[in-house]
Amino acid sequence: QVQLQESGPGLVKPSETLSLTCAVSGYSISSGYYWGWIRQPPGKGLEWIGSIYHSGSTYYNPSLKSRVTISVDTSKNQFSLKLSSVTAADTAVYYCARVRGYSSSWGVVDAFDIWGQGTMVTVSS
Amino acid sequence: DIQMTQSPSSLSASVGDRVTITCRASQSISSYLNWYQQKPGKAPKLLIYAASSLQSGVPSRFSGSGSGTDFTLTISSLQPEDFATYYCQQSYSTLPTFGPGTKVDIK
Repeated sequence: QVQLQESGPGLVKPSETLSLTCAVSGYSISSGYYWGWIRQPPGKGLEWIGSIYHSGSTYYNPSLKSRVTISVDTSKNQFSLKLSSVTAADTAVYYCARVRGYSSSWGVVDAFDIWGQGTMVTVSS
Repeated sequence: DIQMTQSPSSLSASVGDRVTITCRASQSISSYLNWYQQKPGKAPKLLIYAASSLQSGVPSRFSGSGSGTDFTLTISSLQPEDFATYYCQQSYSTLPTFGPGTKVDIK
């Protein structure tokens, strides 16, 4: 059974860097799939931050790209998120998730099929 | 970016009701559309992928339809555990985007 678990500081000061890690159990990251980060500000909707393949290939949300770095550590079976120069607008629950490609006769549809429980990060001095 | 809208933003329904939620994309996304359910304090759960395919383990009272720009999620007979917020999400572009959500609560 594949499980994802986020970890990291719950409080980050403005202008500093938010750092989170997602530990994967029950599946080896190096075997495949993309792995992603999604966030949800309090009382609001979901925003995709970016995704990474086990090889290290990354895709980022253009609105965050200048501040985001996602990396993978296959030896520890985990992947990480760094978001720099944070402001109060970055306060959110941060989720990690697996991106699964579902094949059909007309294409492959990517969906976030397994999620971590989420971790609340507050940006405040 | 492909913008996703949902209607209604919220609805009140009773156990046993048939519930339909609509999702619209700002451009054609073929069937690259997924639906998620989120309960308070919990992570979203994948219900439907590729517009109409039921994720493993999801009850058959959930169904999805549509293609192009207009999609629907239907719950055929609402159960107590179905009161939640539902999000659609497109994966047509390399920038996945979610709808704003539809909250289903108890009438």
